[in-house]
Amino acid sequence: GQQLNQSPQSMFIQEGEDVSMNCTSSSIFNTWLWYKQDPGEGPVLLIALYKAGELTSNGRLTAQFGITRKDSFLNISASIPSDVGIYFCAGLGSNYQLIWGAGTKLIIKP
Amino acid sequence: DVKVTQSSRYLVKRTGEKVFLECVQDMDHENMFWYRQDPGLGLRLIYFSYDVKMKEKGDIPEGYSVSREKKERFSLILESASTNQTSMYLCASSPFDSYRVNYNEQFFGPGTRLTVL
Repeated sequence: GQQLNQSPQSMFIQEGEDVSMNCTSSSIFNTWLWYKQDPGEGPVLLIALYKAGELTSNGRLTAQFGITRKDSFLNISASIPSDVGIYFCAGLGSNYQLIWGAGTKLIIKP
Repeated sequence: DVKVTQSSRYLVKRTGEKVFLECVQDMDHENMFWYRQDPGLGLRLIYFSYDVKMKEKGDIPEGYSVSREKKERFSLILESASTNQTSMYLCASSPFDSYRVNYNEQFFGPGTRLTVL
């Protein structure tokens, strides 16, 4: 079946640093989504991407839908303490079900 | 403000017990989902429903069943809980898309952390 490889698994960064994470797949996706899960809460949608090559921003967050339709990345600029949490990518597969990455846990060093 | 609520934040049950996890959404969404979340594995779909009394198996339905008697409520049932079902369970809902089931944004509840002893 379709699978997503999300990396890195976790990141330890200093406040103010930029963050980059990505998802890759051997399969093509028609839609890429990026969700964030705050501690003790359910995931919340950050950015949705619908076209290959699309670059979309949401405040300090920028995400891109890869040209090959097999990958996507998320960048966070100038990280702040409230950015901590788990970031998930998800792709809409050929059977119209979401395939989820394993998540990237973001931890900000004091 | 959209809202998905789950009946319990934390639950502790014994092996063999029947467990009910309840989820309610107030957005009049057609689609509802149950996931389990385990470290390093992300979210895995257990069951979903696109209408009242309708259900579809997800990726890991074994050991679970669901019930959707009303549009706003979707229940996950563990007929006989086992220790390997200790996990975080997330419920989500989304509006119906005329072309595909999961296209629209899914709104999640806060999760139920279930421990089976």
